[in-house]
Amino acid sequence: LMTQSPATLSASPGERVTLSCRADQIVGTNVAWYRQRPGQAPTLLIFGASNRATGLPGRFSGSASGRDFTLTISSLQSEDFALYYCQQYNTWPRTFGQGTKVDIK
Amino acid sequence: QVHLVQSGAEVKKPGASVRVSCKTSGYPFTTYNIAWVRQAPGQGLEWMGWMSPYNGNTIYAEEYQGRVTMTRDTSTTTAYMELTSLRSDDTAVYYCAREGGGWLETWGQGTLIIVSS
Repeated sequence: LMTQSPATLSASPGERVTLSCRADQIVGTNVAWYRQRPGQAPTLLIFGASNRATGLPGRFSGSASGRDFTLTISSLQSEDFALYYCQQYNTWPRTFGQGTKVDIK
Repeated sequence: QVHLVQSGAEVKKPGASVRVSCKTSGYPFTTYNIAWVRQAPGQGLEWMGWMSPYNGNTIYAEEYQGRVTMTRDTSTTTAYMELTSLRSDDTAVYYCAREGGGWLETWGQGTLIIVSS
């Protein structure tokens, strides 16, 4: 089970935000993050807990500490107001967190 | 460029079956595994299962065991997901995605399946 917090985060453009995800068991660094804009398929942001996907802007970063994982967006852009999901791929079945919605304050 | 293009939306009656296709291009089909994920209206992402296009091996989430079958046609580089005994709570957008090393690096556009009498 992957537990994300908060469920909703209200922020302003240009603001720095941090999204959290906690695993209920050891998953190593086998965690990915995805962004899903309204009406679109998810897109990969981070894999291996801290590796940016090809072409991803540098404002996105991921980190891990034990069973706690963090996605940081250093300066929110308009396209970043979206849903974010973490996923573990250490064990079967793969599991997603329930999501964090980042909306405009 | 890697592309995964899925079949179109469908409306099905309860008890029916549906097969969703995922046409891949831009990479060696048998080299990357395919996962299927679904998203009910207003809900989060739910991992359904995984298939190796190389040998057809599959792993399914327990809640779909017995109802889902994932297959592939290597000649057309297409993956398929069939779900049987449809219920109203199977109404969702179904996605295929190409796996990297477990993460889902490229997604199809999604296929809306509506189950309604």
